Amino acid sequence: AQTVTQSQPEMSVQEAETVTLSCTYDTSESDYYLFWYKQPPSRQMILVIRQEAYKQQNATENRFSVNFQKAAKSFSLKISDSQLGDAAMYFCASYPNSGGSNYKLTFGKGTLLTVNP
Amino acid sequence: DGGITQSPKYLFRKEGQNVTLSCEQNLNHDAMYWYRQDPGQGLRLIYYSQIVNDFQKGDIAEGYSVSREKKESFPLTVTSAQKNPTAFYLCASSIALGYGYTFGSGTRLTVV
Repeated sequence: AQTVTQSQPEMSVQEAETVTLSCTYDTSESDYYLFWYKQPPSRQMILVIRQEAYKQQNATENRFSVNFQKAAKSFSLKISDSQLGDAAMYFCASYPNSGGSNYKLTFGKGTLLTVNP
Repeated sequence: DGGITQSPKYLFRKEGQNVTLSCEQNLNHDAMYWYRQDPGQGLRLIYYSQIVNDFQKGDIAEGYSVSREKKESFPLTVTSAQKNPTAFYLCASSIALGYGYTFGSGTRLTVV
């Protein structure tokens, strides 16, 4: 079974600053996928970024990047030049790359990010 | 535009009643999922389906039932056996391993 832990229930950042959200996971699988989802006040879940565990290079999507440390089982999200629209709940999630019936995403409990003007 | 439609957005249920939440997708995705979201709990998997006419229980299936008669549709019934049904329910679908999920906009269920 996989578990995902987000140790920061809440974080805040000043507009235009950089913030890092933490995520650790536990899995017995040798290969897996990792994701960050954003849930703004509208409650629509939006995929922010994804990473395949066998790829060493950290994923980047515009102002969003990850720091993937496979040995430490850590997958943190860095948001650069924070904007007011980044305020949301952020969820870290994972599932194993074993195909078949295992497309089930396991989510952390989330980090609520506040962006201060 | 392709996407997932959940209806209704808000639903009120009297104690002892069954209610059905609708989830329809036009993305041609094979897999569909139902999650429940409670404050401070993250998202917990209720049921999932990889193919038409087949589905499996997730982590918190008790008090819920589903069907998958069509690829596009995956309705969730919250039965009277679910003791604490007030929550936000999210439906999702996926096309293939590695691409994550596409989510609907959710249904807020409240017991009155």
